[in-house]
Amino acid sequence: KNQVEQSPQSLIILEGKNCTLQCNYTVSPFSNLRWYKQDTGRGPVSLTIMTFSENTKSNGRYTATLDADTKQSSLHITASQLSDSASYICVVSGDAGNMLTFGGGTRLMVKP
Amino acid sequence: ETGVTQTPRHLVMGMTNKKSLKCEQHLGHNAMYWYKQSAKKPLELMFVYSLEERVENNSVPSRFSPECPNSSHLFLHLHTLQPEDSALYLCASSQDRRGRAEQYFGPGTRLTVT
Repeated sequence: KNQVEQSPQSLIILEGKNCTLQCNYTVSPFSNLRWYKQDTGRGPVSLTIMTFSENTKSNGRYTATLDADTKQSSLHITASQLSDSASYICVVSGDAGNMLTFGGGTRLMVKP
Repeated sequence: ETGVTQTPRHLVMGMTNKKSLKCEQHLGHNAMYWYKQSAKKPLELMFVYSLEERVENNSVPSRFSPECPNSSHLFLHLHTLQPEDSALYLCASSQDRRGRAEQYFGPGTRLTVT
């Protein structure tokens, strides 16, 4: 069964600090992995997308890594800001025609 | 904004009511989706439409009835819902149904069933 597990479920950090969110998946065959940011009361917005051959991708202060051998991904947030408070969702696509498998998300709270 | 709009943003309805959720995408996409997001659970795919044809229905109860009159509009008709149907309902669209095609989400409709 295709699954995406994220950790931690929730995280509180101080403004300006860095943090790393984890995503483990068992989706096979693998096509791509996305990280989404979802603000409270809003829909998810894509941050990064990585295919099998990519092991790192950055979007401003967000850097995603992918290890396709161990089926793990991480999202590193640098110099956190209050606006980074949101849920971060890892989403894996199985192949060209498969639908997406969603992780449960990590709820991040950045405090001043 | 993502180019996907949803109305209403909030809805409270009784179990005997009939209501409809509306989604519109301004991106020229060919595929549209309905998702349910319950507290502390991953997003659950409900329905997929591709070129106005329903191509997937993930064992959703018949009290949820989708309608896609054209490639830009998607509706979710609701009737005789249960309290456990309270959730955030998200609409999304993508260029096509391929796994690599990015899905753009609307802001969602927060539904409360009393």
